[in-house]
Amino acid sequence: SQKIEQNSEALNIQEGKTATLTCNYTNYSPAYLQWYRQDPGRGPVFLLLIRENEKEKRKERLKVTFDTTLKQSLFHITASQPADSATYLCALARNTDKLIFGTGTRLQVFP
Amino acid sequence: DTAVSQTPKYLVTQMGNDKSIKCEQNLGHDTMYWYKQDSKKFLKIMFSYNNKELIINETVPNRFSPKSPDKAHLNLHINSLELGDSAVYFCASSKSQGEGEQFFGPGTRLTVL
Repeated sequence: SQKIEQNSEALNIQEGKTATLTCNYTNYSPAYLQWYRQDPGRGPVFLLLIRENEKEKRKERLKVTFDTTLKQSLFHITASQPADSATYLCALARNTDKLIFGTGTRLQVFP
Repeated sequence: DTAVSQTPKYLVTQMGNDKSIKCEQNLGHDTMYWYKQDSKKFLKIMFSYNNKELIINETVPNRFSPKSPDKAHLNLHINSLELGDSAVYFCASSKSQGEGEQFFGPGTRLTVL
């Protein structure tokens, strides 16, 4: 069955550094991959979508890469700020199929 | 101007009871979803409706019954609640089936005692 793995441990980094979060998947060929942010007590909020034929996508301080050979996506936040502290979820889908979410990685940015 | 709203925010009830969670979206989207997020924060789809028609029904106990009176509303009714039903339930919507970005509601924390 499909499996999506994200760093299970929390990621702690210093303000101003680049945070890099990993999403690996197996037994799946997604058409696209999405990243969401979830704050405690709130619903996930969409950040970025990258399609299987795209290598990289950027939005302000965010950058996502998608390597279908390695079956991996990397999510980067440059010049990180304490306000970036949250749980980040990756999710995969095959076009009209359901979104399958990873377990999320908690990011803590220290001043 | 809440895009996706759910009620109630918190629900505490006894085992064996029946309860409902309501969801409404004002985005004009065609597709709505119910997700369950367990204590380990794993978010799993339960149901999806497209224009009031059920399109995804994961292996969810038939004690869970979704109802979509119109495409802006998707309610979730749960019969004979069990301890294992305790979780946070999220409603979400998207423009259409498989159309990328999903908008999530604030969640309903269900606690079964």
